Amino acid sequence: NAGVMQNPRHLVRRRGQEARLRCSPMKGHSHVYWYRQLPEEGLKFMVYLQKENIIDESGMPKERFSAEFPKEGPSILRIQQVVRGDSAAYFCASSPQRAGGHETQYFGPGTRLLVL
Amino acid sequence: KNEVEQSPQNLTAQEGEFITINCSYSVGISALHWLQQHPGGGIVSLFMLSSGKKKHGRLIATINIQEKHSSLHITASHPRDSAVYICAVRKYGGSQGNLIFGKGTKLSVKP
Repeated sequence: NAGVMQNPRHLVRRRGQEARLRCSPMKGHSHVYWYRQLPEEGLKFMVYLQKENIIDESGMPKERFSAEFPKEGPSILRIQQVVRGDSAAYFCASSPQRAGGHETQYFGPGTRLLVL
Repeated sequence: KNEVEQSPQNLTAQEGEFITINCSYSVGISALHWLQQHPGGGIVSLFMLSSGKKKHGRLIATINIQEKHSSLHITASHPRDSAVYICAVRKYGGSQGNLIFGKGTKLSVKP
C-alpha cells in the first residue's frame, strides 16, 4: 500500500504565477488535510477535506488560496498570484473514515515551494 | 503566548540515555498527537492519545488531562532517534484535522 504521495516535491515559481500542489491520499483514505510550515516556524493547519467537500477551511488565507478534493483524482491546493511569503513546505496528510473521528494521520513527504 | 508549548527547544543526549520531551497546552482538547519530523523533512505520526499512556517499542507517551500536560519518553536512545519531535492538539469541538502545533523539540543523539 503506497503512502501519501505529493507532487511536485519541489516547486519554483516567480511572483504572480500560480502554484498547484497535488496530494494523493493512501488507498482507502477519504480524509485529506493540508498543513503549511513556514521557514523556522511550526506547522499550521490550512484545510480539511473529504471527497468533494470542504469540512474545515478555517486555516486558509482568505485570498489567493483554494483547495479541492474531487471524486476522482488527487486533492489540489492552489495558490494564485504567489508572493515571496508563500515560500514554505506544504504537507498533506490523510486518514481513513471511521466512527469517533479520532484517526491517525499519515503524512506525505511535502512540497517545498520557493517563490522568487 | 502559544496555546501549545514544548520544552526543551533543543536537546542533546548521548546514545543510551533516557529522554523526556514535554508538552503543555492551555486549551481544552479532545486528542493530542506526537509527531516526528526527520532531518529530511518527512513527518511520521508517533502517537495519538486522549488519556493515559501509550507505548510503541522504545517510545512512551503519557498525558495528564487535568494538568494539561503530555510527555514523550525515549528509552535507550539511539542516533537514529535524532529528529524534531512535535506535539499537536485538537481543540475540543474542533474538526479532526484542525490541529494546533508546538514549535517542536530538536533532539540530537550522539554516538
